Amino acid sequence: GAVVSQHPSWVICKSGTSVKIECRSLDFQATTMFWYRQFPKQSLMLMATSNEGSKATYEQGVEKDKFLINHASLTLSTLTVTSAHPEDSSFYICSARDLSSGQETQYFGPGTRLLVL
Amino acid sequence: DAKTTQPNSMESNEEEPVHLPCNHSTISGTDYIHWYRQLPSQGPEYVIHGLTSNVNNRMASLAIAEDRKSSTLILHRATLRDAAVYYCILSRAAGAGSYQLTFGKGTKLSVIP
Repeated sequence: GAVVSQHPSWVICKSGTSVKIECRSLDFQATTMFWYRQFPKQSLMLMATSNEGSKATYEQGVEKDKFLINHASLTLSTLTVTSAHPEDSSFYICSARDLSSGQETQYFGPGTRLLVL
Repeated sequence: DAKTTQPNSMESNEEEPVHLPCNHSTISGTDYIHWYRQLPSQGPEYVIHGLTSNVNNRMASLAIAEDRKSSTLILHRATLRDAAVYYCILSRAAGAGSYQLTFGKGTKLSVIP
């Protein structure tokens, strides 16, 4: 099946700094990628939908100026958490939609655990 | 968005079949039924999906009710590695032909050795 990677797998940063998380589709092109956030013992919450070459669409309640998304190529999307605070500590997961498979399937990355001190 | 209802948790003995139910009474005609599972500290893993007909793959089978208001994920022989949270999700297009997935709480499956 299609493979999606994320980097880094975990990151610890100081409050007020910015953190960039990369999401790559390794063996397929993804015109659409999705970013989710998951707090402990909770389900995944969709943050934004990222389309290659255009602005991301953010879910209600997600600040677009705080969570910057760039989808500059068909295999890479980045999420930058700007001026991170302890409440941004979470498990961030990306997914990518594989159009070539002909299936309506999203493949998920392994996630990035962010801890803001 | 169409919602799904799943039991919070289920248990199964190892090597036995598992039937995970999902109710989706407000499903629309264009909604696909997807199943994903998530192991601890990992991203979700695609299991199976279908529209109207029953589906089989190497991981599982998906049985869809004739009225499409419910479905059942079938693991034919549960192993310890199948212990995970299983999500039943309805997907619909959300612009540019992209299907959004809305995750509920899922069913936590425990497999007893």
